[in-house]
Amino acid sequence: DTGVSQDPRHKITKRGQNVTFRCDPISEHNRLYWYRQTLGQGPEFLTYFQNEAQLEKSRLLSDRFSAERPKGSFSTLEIQRTEQGDSAMYLCASSQGQPNTEAFFGQGTRLTVV
Amino acid sequence: AQSVTQLGSHVSVSEGALVLLRCNYSSSVPPYLFWYVQYPNQGLQLLLKYTTGATLVKGINGFEAEFKKSETSFHLAKPSAHMSDAAEYFCAVSDRGSSASKIIFGSGTRLSIRP
Repeated sequence: DTGVSQDPRHKITKRGQNVTFRCDPISEHNRLYWYRQTLGQGPEFLTYFQNEAQLEKSRLLSDRFSAERPKGSFSTLEIQRTEQGDSAMYLCASSQGQPNTEAFFGQGTRLTVV
Repeated sequence: AQSVTQLGSHVSVSEGALVLLRCNYSSSVPPYLFWYVQYPNQGLQLLLKYTTGATLVKGINGFEAEFKKSETSFHLAKPSAHMSDAAEYFCAVSDRGSSASKIIFGSGTRLSIRP
């Protein structure tokens, strides 16, 4: 297994455009998390899935953000009508089983909105 | 609601000196506790975790942390710093009382090592 994979690694987009990121978790991991990280800050929780069910979405997440995990495997995070404030590193993580197990992180997708 | 506070956004120590990074949590029930490390341009990697049992837990790269319920703390330590320890360190918590619980991270502490 090659770990958690995120694509693309970097994305530059113009304000107002839509972007979509993909995350491939470790095989058999039932939990998948999305976080956003800005410079000098810790990962900020966005949303997470258990299998294909989206269990929680942060109140900080506006309606412009949507995430899916259609078959309980890979996940996509879409941002509509991007704003400069959306510029950040978007991290995906996966884990198996209970909340006390380790979450494995991908290397992230760096989004720059110009 | 759970939260985690890391005291000190930047810590600088000399090579060979003790490293101590502080983490306090807020939770009605002691949560699961984690320390992650992030090297430049890399993803987060688990250093160690506390779930149950012995309150002193040992992790990779010579790090250890002690869970102190009375102080609601989970400080990270390493007896002798190495240049390769320079990185960002994050304390994190997860709710013990729920089977469907997210991981909440602190704001991080950047560790610098002086030669």
